[in-house]
Amino acid sequence: EVQLVESGGGLVKPGTSLRLSCVVSGFSFRGYTMNWVRQAPGRGLEWVSSLAGSSGSVYYADSVNGRFTISRDNAKNSLYLQMSSLRAEDTAVYYCARAGVGSGWERGAFDIWGQGTMVTVSS
Amino acid sequence: AIQLTQSPSSLSASVGDRVTITCRASQGISSALAWYQQKPGKPPKLLIYDASNLESGVPSRFSGSGSGTDFALTISSLQPEDFATYYCHQFTSYPNTFGQGTRLEIK
Repeated sequence: EVQLVESGGGLVKPGTSLRLSCVVSGFSFRGYTMNWVRQAPGRGLEWVSSLAGSSGSVYYADSVNGRFTISRDNAKNSLYLQMSSLRAEDTAVYYCARAGVGSGWERGAFDIWGQGTMVTVSS
Repeated sequence: AIQLTQSPSSLSASVGDRVTITCRASQGISSALAWYQQKPGKPPKLLIYDASNLESGVPSRFSGSGSGTDFALTISSLQPEDFATYYCHQFTSYPNTFGQGTRLEIK
């Protein structure tokens, strides 16, 4: 079964760090562009970051650029999001998603999603 | 960044109705557009990719159209399970962006 499982969320204070993990199963992780998308409580979806499957290129939303780092460990079938200098506005459910369909080099629609992990930034 | 504007923001409809949600991009994105359905407490579910391709397993009452800057998601005959929030998403360039969402409610 194709599955993404996120972990690592929790309640943290502003200015601190947190690392999210996404474990992949049921498909060959190596060739896909993987993504993080977040959703603040009661709000819409916000793309956060992508890591291209072939080139390893990384991309970030302006709102997190310089504070968040996306990475992957192919041997562990895992995607990570290292978050630092966290702010109250980073409070959200963070989803891991696979860009698995659609035309375009190293990009596509998000066909597989995890259940999400909640990050709350509050003093 | 490319902005996506969905219309309407919310919509009330009845079972059996035909509904259309539109998504307008601030610049041309060819056909690199997807539509998702999200229910409360659940992750989004992909419905349509490349503007008009139906994702495997998605009922045929869902269809997508458009290219360039103007796109539409149509549900031909609403079923009770279709009441949810719908989002468009452009993936032609980074940063990827999502529309603000359209909440489809039961009339």
